[in-house]
Amino acid sequence: DIVMTQSPDSLAVSLGERATINCKSSQSVLYSSNNKDYLAWYQQKPGQPPKLLIYWASTRESGVPDRFSASGSGTDFTLTISSLQAEDVAVYYCQQYYSTPYTFGQGTKLEIK
Amino acid sequence: QVQLQESGPGLVKPSETLSLTCTVSGGSISSYYWSWIRQPPGKGLEWIGYIYDSGSSNYNPSLKSRVTISVDTSKNQFSLKLSSVTAADTAVYYCARVKAGGPRRGMDVWGQGTTVTVSS
Repeated sequence: DIVMTQSPDSLAVSLGERATINCKSSQSVLYSSNNKDYLAWYQQKPGQPPKLLIYWASTRESGVPDRFSASGSGTDFTLTISSLQAEDVAVYYCQQYYSTPYTFGQGTKLEIK
Repeated sequence: QVQLQESGPGLVKPSETLSLTCTVSGGSISSYYWSWIRQPPGKGLEWIGYIYDSGSSNYNPSLKSRVTISVDTSKNQFSLKLSSVTAADTAVYYCARVKAGGPRRGMDVWGQGTTVTVSS
């Protein structure tokens, strides 16, 4: 199985400041035949299901605010929220869909400082 | 837009079979892959498996001996059965749609989730 490891486990950022979450996979999730990274980011607010934010490592899902961006390739990935809003308080997960079983990171809890 | 709704018993006895159904509304179940994911209380997400409208499926090896996912296109539903449950299977169970284009995609539509407790 591909192990996904996120850092940090929790993060407190002031409103309007930048938040950065990292995700590392135990093996590359870059598929060489199409040069795509098989990685997604999700946001989960309390009592709600996860919401897809990013797929193909850096493509924003329709309707997701542009303050959310993501980058990385191979085994190292980053989700960035450029200017934290109160509604961004949530747990964020990365997920690889390169190979089954699809696996998630342990989650990063983002709070307001 | 497409909506998913999980249904099934909220309480299952140990050693019995957990059975859940996901009803797809606002769109067709055809031409998409559909997944089950679970989340134990206070913990992270675990992918259980997926199924295509043809019935082709793929399961997490950690659960494979106990899991069956099926699809009923006439009812626009897909289902999860997990046998020989223990307390470790207590979780919120989500159904989700895989983005168009194949099984190797993110999951873009999720149900609200249903809590299943395994207890006698």
